[in-house]
Amino acid sequence: GNSVTQMEGPVTLSEEAFLTINCTYTATGYPSLFWYVQYPGEGLQLLLKATKADDKGSNKGFEATYRKETTSFHLEKGSVQVSDSAVYFCALSTHYTGNQFYFGTGTSLTVIP
Amino acid sequence: DSGVTQTPKHLITATGQRVTLRCSPRSGDLSVYWYQQSLDQGLQFLIQYYNGEERAKGNILERFSAQQFPDLHSELNLSSLELGDSALYFCASSVGGGPGQPQHFGDGTRLSIL
Repeated sequence: GNSVTQMEGPVTLSEEAFLTINCTYTATGYPSLFWYVQYPGEGLQLLLKATKADDKGSNKGFEATYRKETTSFHLEKGSVQVSDSAVYFCALSTHYTGNQFYFGTGTSLTVIP
Repeated sequence: DSGVTQTPKHLITATGQRVTLRCSPRSGDLSVYWYQQSLDQGLQFLIQYYNGEERAKGNILERFSAQQFPDLHSELNLSSLELGDSALYFCASSVGGGPGQPQHFGDGTRLSIL
């Protein structure tokens, strides 16, 4: 089946620290992979995506590389800011299910000054 | 602003009742999706429509139904409501209905069952 596993949170970091949020997946076929961010009281916003192996998605200083050999799509940022505090979701979409997204459980990030 | 509009933002009702949630997709998007977000189940896909036709179905209860109208807006109907239906319901839209399309989410409707 299709599923996404994210590292458990919550994660608390100091401003300018390095961020890694782990995401691994199980999928039939060749999935597309996404990271979404959810700020309090809001919907999910697309952060970045990758559609094939070795693709690197990047946006606003965040990066993630589609690793087929390790079935992973870890989110990284070199220097976090207080404004990055939010919940981050990893998701996949596969060929066999229309464009149904499978989401991880979300990782809450708090950045302290 | 994602361009996806959901109404109402909050809904409070009682067990056994029926409610309708409404979603207007981004301009130009043909596909609409419904998700349920709860603390114990996380984000769960319910159903996808593309240009008025059902495209994919997730773990949507028989008490729930949805449709997409010719103007592309969608409605999610929840009936015989139970306490466990209390959740945040999100609508999302995408240009096409095929795999790999980024989905753009509305701010959700928070449903509380008393």
